[in-house]
Amino acid sequence: NAGVTQTPKFQVLKTGQSMTLQCAQDMNHEYMSWYRQDPGMGLRLIHYSVGAGITDQGEVPNGYNVSRSTTEDFPLRLLSAAPSQTSVYFCASTPGAYNEQFFGPGTRLTVL
Amino acid sequence: TQLLEQSPQFLSIQEGENLTVYCNSSSVFSSLQWYRQEPGEGPVLLVTVVTGGEVKKLKRLTFQFGDARKDSSLHITAAQPGDTGLYLCAGDRMDSSYKLIFGSGTRLLVRP
Repeated sequence: NAGVTQTPKFQVLKTGQSMTLQCAQDMNHEYMSWYRQDPGMGLRLIHYSVGAGITDQGEVPNGYNVSRSTTEDFPLRLLSAAPSQTSVYFCASTPGAYNEQFFGPGTRLTVL
Repeated sequence: TQLLEQSPQFLSIQEGENLTVYCNSSSVFSSLQWYRQEPGEGPVLLVTVVTGGEVKKLKRLTFQFGDARKDSSLHITAAQPGDTGLYLCAGDRMDSSYKLIFGSGTRLLVRP
């Protein structure tokens, strides 16, 4: 099993550009999440999904969109990138018990 | 609002020393998890504690969940350079079925 995979590993955008961060898992987990990690602030939940076709907002959803058409994939879209979205983004999945998270390797995004 | 406070934020010790990291909150959690993150990688789950007063051991690491399920500690005995990393606690709030709250982390450096 590959676990949780994320692409790309690194990305540089200009302000106003859009892009999609890809996330896939092969563990058949129902729950998937997107987090951003900033220095001194830990991990903050952006959006999450409890199954295909079901998504909901987390703590910091503004500027991001998600969709979940399959159990395996959970892409995160930045509609119009802003410098405040410079961060490291982690996708995670969980089988549900106690919300134990299995994280991907992350995407480091810089918005100029 | 940071619901989970971790201390210390940074710890630099010599190989062989003992240390304790604390995770405190005014909120009650149904479970609490500890993760370790190495540079350039996603966090990896170390342990989940679910019962007030519970103690779990993972080799030289001892995890404790407070009796009131508001706090937790991680104690490392005879630290080794391989223990170096960012330690994160995360609480599963009782009023929110799926949203984990992460602490800001403790960065540990174990010098040979």
